[in-house]
Amino acid sequence: QQQVKQSPQSLIVQKGGISIINCAYENTAFDYFPWYQQFPGKGPALLIAIRPDVSEKKEGRFTISFNKSAKQFSLHIMDSQPGDSATYFCAARPDSGYALNFGKGTSLLVTP
Amino acid sequence: DAGVIQSPRHEVTEMGQEVTLRCKPISGHNSLFWYRQTMMRGLELLIYFNNNVPIDDSGMPEDRFSAKMPNASFSTLKIQPSEPRDSAVYFCASRRLAGPYNEQFFGPGTRLTVL
Repeated sequence: QQQVKQSPQSLIVQKGGISIINCAYENTAFDYFPWYQQFPGKGPALLIAIRPDVSEKKEGRFTISFNKSAKQFSLHIMDSQPGDSATYFCAARPDSGYALNFGKGTSLLVTP
Repeated sequence: DAGVIQSPRHEVTEMGQEVTLRCKPISGHNSLFWYRQTMMRGLELLIYFNNNVPIDDSGMPEDRFSAKMPNASFSTLKIQPSEPRDSAVYFCASRRLAGPYNEQFFGPGTRLTVL
């Protein structure tokens, strides 16, 4: 049973555009929401993470928006670049827990 | 820091053979995870160790899979006998429990192909 649902499965964005990836969850015990970036042949790497006490977190061109009441969170990549082309995974877990529940991933292609 | 080290990076074997995947976590990390990644199921947690002790192995698919962590710097995931449906990328990740986010650091993975 997928505890975190991610969409879209794939995304094509032109260079300079905004990439938006959405995730939804049901478990209200989830208290930590990271996003991972994975390049081909590499392991996932933490990109940015948020806790539900804030509605938005920004790091450079990457922003997480969090809607606690809707149980949704999203990743926005501003001014998308070809080097951002990768697979992105959202995840969630209880703050005191250990198991990350991953979404199925979004394959992002940024065209020149 | 060398990061999480996994070996081999690629493994091709025939059905019925034993496969052993290896992981060296980041020094000082006291938690270790084994994940399996497939197109169909995404990233699945197989087993979690804390201080070398298996805490949660509920994700291990069946008895053909076993994992050990004899010390803080080494872990193995063994499949015996292997089957074609075991073909996947297997990741090891480690983390240090202290810290605000308890970030997991993933290794580069082992791509397993069972013919």
